[in-house]
Amino acid sequence: GAGVSQSPSNKVTEKGKDVELRCDPISGHTALYWYRQSLGQGLEFLIYFQGNSAPDKSGLPSDRFSAERTGGSVSTLTIQRTQQEDSAVYLCASSYSQETQYFGPGTRLLVL
Amino acid sequence: GEDVEQSLFLSVREGDSSVINCTYTDSSSTYLYWYKQEPGAGLQLLTYIFSNMDMKQDQRLTVLLNKKDKHLSLRIADTQTGDSAIYFCAETDTGRRALTFGSGTRLQVQP
Repeated sequence: GAGVSQSPSNKVTEKGKDVELRCDPISGHTALYWYRQSLGQGLEFLIYFQGNSAPDKSGLPSDRFSAERTGGSVSTLTIQRTQQEDSAVYLCASSYSQETQYFGPGTRLLVL
Repeated sequence: GEDVEQSLFLSVREGDSSVINCTYTDSSSTYLYWYKQEPGAGLQLLTYIFSNMDMKQDQRLTVLLNKKDKHLSLRIADTQTGDSAIYFCAETDTGRRALTFGSGTRLQVQP
């Protein structure tokens, strides 16, 4: 079946602009995660959604970052007033159970 | 906080076995994972082990867990050039759903 999909695959933006990154999880997966992969920081957790529960936002690096998940499916990660240090690959994962998280191909963000 | 450490680089010859090592600090880790990342691609789940197990085998992959020493290893038998990639160790526990990753080990397979 279809895996986790993310769009766009690449995004180039200017410093100070807002960006939206989209994630389509695997159908039926109740949990959705956002991670960030950067050269300096490795793979970092950002935010986690589980069903209708309040999201775990403990990994968001600043209040410029926010995410929502509509209808328990698609999620959008928004970065406001982007900075050069936001340049990274943003990875989305989904899971049905705690054991296994399946990752999408990522969105490569470059802030000029 | 939780910490996961891996060596950065491993080079082997095609046909040899590869062993990638990982250490972690969280004594309440419940699940431990190995992910593979090829250039420009996302993370592919290779295998995982529950903390009450000490070994898991899946075709060419063998995972060994030493819970006392908090040491996890991934052995790849008969390593092929297609196994060249970065391998990430990760862990989580029942209270924390997010994965904590190591820095990744780049495996280079020489023909």
